[in-house]
Amino acid sequence: EIVLTQSPGTLSLSPGERATLSCRASQSVSSNYLAWYQQKPGQAPRLLIYGASSRATDIPDRFSGSGSGTDFTLTISRLEPEDFAVYYCQQHGSSPPITFGQGTRLEIK
Amino acid sequence: QVQLVESGGGLVKPGGSLRLSCAASGFTFSDYYMSWIRQAPGKGLEWVSYISNLATTIYYADSVKGRFTISRDNAKNSLYLQMNSLTAEDTAVYYCARALVAGRFDFDQWGQGILVTVSS
Repeated sequence: EIVLTQSPGTLSLSPGERATLSCRASQSVSSNYLAWYQQKPGQAPRLLIYGASSRATDIPDRFSGSGSGTDFTLTISRLEPEDFAVYYCQQHGSSPPITFGQGTRLEIK
Repeated sequence: QVQLVESGGGLVKPGGSLRLSCAASGFTFSDYYMSWIRQAPGKGLEWVSYISNLATTIYYADSVKGRFTISRDNAKNSLYLQMNSLTAEDTAVYYCARALVAGRFDFDQWGQGILVTVSS
């Protein structure tokens, strides 16, 4: 099973700043199979990025994904107040198991 | 618009059973692969099970294999999760989620979640 490790655990930034979130896999992941989700308190997760770099429907272009192999990054170019949340990366191959990272909490500084 | 609404959660004793349902609307349910994903209180996300659109392909996480059964009724636009031999470790919010594209395992629509508490 591929283990995903996200860093940092908590990121404290101010609105308007740039956020860089990391997801490292224990073994190589196909770029086609790496996704990012946002989850706010009391809400279901929302798909942001799939295939490592493709934005899901209605996701603002300030969100971008990049990376390959074992290192992937979610970048939020200019933080808006509504972006403060927990972010999860997820990997899947052509079949399960599907695994999620432990999450990065993005909090207002 | 797309809606996924879970039901059937609640408090159950260890060793007990529960059946979750997920009612889908706003899209052609029979075209989509579906999944159950859970989140223990204050914890991260854990994938539980996955079913293809015609139920010909089914997968389970090792943690629930042999205890949980996923199924669907396309005529009723509904997804189910039969959970048996429940333990405290199964306590979580359970989400049903729609796969982005047939055969993929990233999820573009989620229900609001339903809480399952396993406690004596």
